[in-house]
Parts: sequence; structure tokens; C-alpha cells
Amino acid sequence: DVKVTQSSRYLVKRTGEKVFLECVQDMDHENMFWYRQDPGLGLRLIYFSYDVKMKEKGDIPEGYSVSREKKERFSLILESASTNQTSMYLCASSFFGRGRDLGYTFGSGTRLTVV
Amino acid sequence: AQKITQTQPGMFVQEKEAVTLDCTYDTSDQSYGLFWYKQPSSGEMIFLIYQGSYDEQNATEGRYSLNFQKARKSANLVISASQLGDSAMYFCAMREDSGGYQKVTFGTGTKLQVIP
Repeated sequence: DVKVTQSSRYLVKRTGEKVFLECVQDMDHENMFWYRQDPGLGLRLIYFSYDVKMKEKGDIPEGYSVSREKKERFSLILESASTNQTSMYLCASSFFGRGRDLGYTFGSGTRLTVV
Repeated sequence: AQKITQTQPGMFVQEKEAVTLDCTYDTSDQSYGLFWYKQPSSGEMIFLIYQGSYDEQNATEGRYSLNFQKARKSANLVISASQLGDSAMYFCAMREDSGGYQKVTFGTGTKLQVIP
């Protein structure tokens, strides 16, 4: 069964900590994405990557960075966690191309609480 | 302007009835794709259905169909014969194919509750 795996389901971190959220996919997908989900706001794109060592800013990149050293792994980094980064974080991956196969495969999400 | 608009924050439907979840989109691309995802309370996002901008037929997947009206830029999801397990958040999303990148924009979601 194909999978996108997020390393943690729940995390609690303190303000100012550096936080790493890890995502691994086993489908050989070119594209990987990080979204955050907040009630009433839907899913908002933080960063995405379409190749190893490549990254592009999404709609809300401030306060975040990413790393993609290997094709299967895409890490989201909160350089100095703040309470307004308390959210559900979703990782997704997809093939590069066209059509329905380009639907994302999502991880199960990481609920991050910053205290 | 919002690229994906879901105007129904919440909806109720009687079990075994059909329900339509609204979605309108905004794009100047000729080539794009529209998706619907389901998110149960457990949190995972489940792909339901896809419609390509050049597809002439409305997409169907079992009890799900997508009512695609290109001129009106609408892509409503129709769930027939609702079941209790259909209670979930539903997100409409759009992938635009220009610009070389294939990111997807999501709407704010509709919470559907199926009543026995």
C-alpha cells in the first residue's frame, strides 16, 4: 500500500524551539507539499518541492523553511516556534504530469501545539 | 480573489438522501484539474473524484459525481444515497497547470453531517 508517512501524530513544543516535521513517501513522487490546516481557513500551502534540493514558497512561508535532500523525504522546519503556528500540518505528494493521477496522497497529519 | 470558494460551512442531510456540496473556482488557465477530498474526524484526507478541464463528461466514482459547469466555473459534488459514514469535512481543490508548478489550492471546506 502506497504511503505518505509523517513522523509524529501529535507534538507539543515550547515557544522559541526549533521544530522539525518529517515526511516520507514511498511512491517515487516528484512533487511534495506542506500545508497547514486551520478551522475556517481550509488548507494553506506553506512550501512545496518538485525535485531534490528544489523548493518553492507557497502562500504562507513566513516562519518556516524546508529541506529536501532525498526524493522521498521532505522536512518542514519551524525556525523559532510561536503560538500562532499551533495547527494541523499535512504533508502530501504527487506525480508530475496531468490527469487524475495527479491527485495528492496525504499523510495522516501532525497536530502541533506550541505553548 | 479566492481561487476556490465553498459557500456552505456546514450542511445536514437525511440518511439515504442525495446532497450537493457547492464549489466555484477562479482561474484564467485553460488547463486545470478539480478535485474533491473527504476528511473524516480521524484527520486523513481521502481523494474522492477528479475532473479535468477538458473532460467533456462529468466525472463519477460510485456514489460520487461531479457536476462540472465550465462556463459558470462550478464543480459541485453530488453524493447520492447518503450514509452515516459520509459525515466528514469535504474540500474542493484546483490544480492549475500553467507556470510549470503543479500546486493545488483548496477551499475552506464544508462539514457534512448525515442524520439517521
